Amino acid sequence: DVKVTQSSRYLVKRTGEKVFLECVQDMDHENMFWYRQDPGLGLRLIYFSYDVKMKEKGDIPEGYSVSREKKERFSLILESASTNQTSMYLCASSLLGGVSPETQYFGPGTRLLVL
Amino acid sequence: QQQVKQSPQSLIVQKGGISIINCAYENTAFDYFPWYQQFPGKGPALLIAIRPDVSEKKEGRFTISFNKSAKQFSLHIMDSQPGDSATYFCAASRGSSNTGKLIFGQGTTLQVKP
Repeated sequence: DVKVTQSSRYLVKRTGEKVFLECVQDMDHENMFWYRQDPGLGLRLIYFSYDVKMKEKGDIPEGYSVSREKKERFSLILESASTNQTSMYLCASSLLGGVSPETQYFGPGTRLLVL
Repeated sequence: QQQVKQSPQSLIVQKGGISIINCAYENTAFDYFPWYQQFPGKGPALLIAIRPDVSEKKEGRFTISFNKSAKQFSLHIMDSQPGDSATYFCAASRGSSNTGKLIFGQGTTLQVKP
């Protein structure tokens, strides 16, 4: 089974702090994604990566950056956390090619509260 | 053109009833339409998916109906059970893009009352 793990289930940070959210997948997937989930807005793509050191902006990249130094690890960085970044953050991965390349496997999520 | 619109936002159904969630899209290049199910405290997981070469796909109590001309697709849950209570997301993608990117709908919170 594919396993996607996220470093924290819950985080509480102060406005202006630098925040790191870590995601690790164990199935050698090429694609990795970061989403934020807010009620009524669904899952919105922040960034995705299709290879080591490669990244592309999603729909809402402002205020975020990412890092992918190793294939299995994809980090989301909030350079200066703000209260409007309080949300649930979900990481996902998918295989490049194959029978169903679009199938994304999600981690359990990190609920971030910025005070 | 990249949006997927999902309705209703919330749904309450009695046990044994039929739950219906609808989605609409604009981009005719989309060629893959999955539904994801999310239980509280968990990440979403693929439930069922359809490609536009068929109008319906059934897996157990879950059925996707697809209307290409109307650019709409829906999830039907037959004989709904309390264990089906979850948030459901529809999504769409261009499979040919190879990036695996999905455009998600806004989500529907389903509550099945015993």
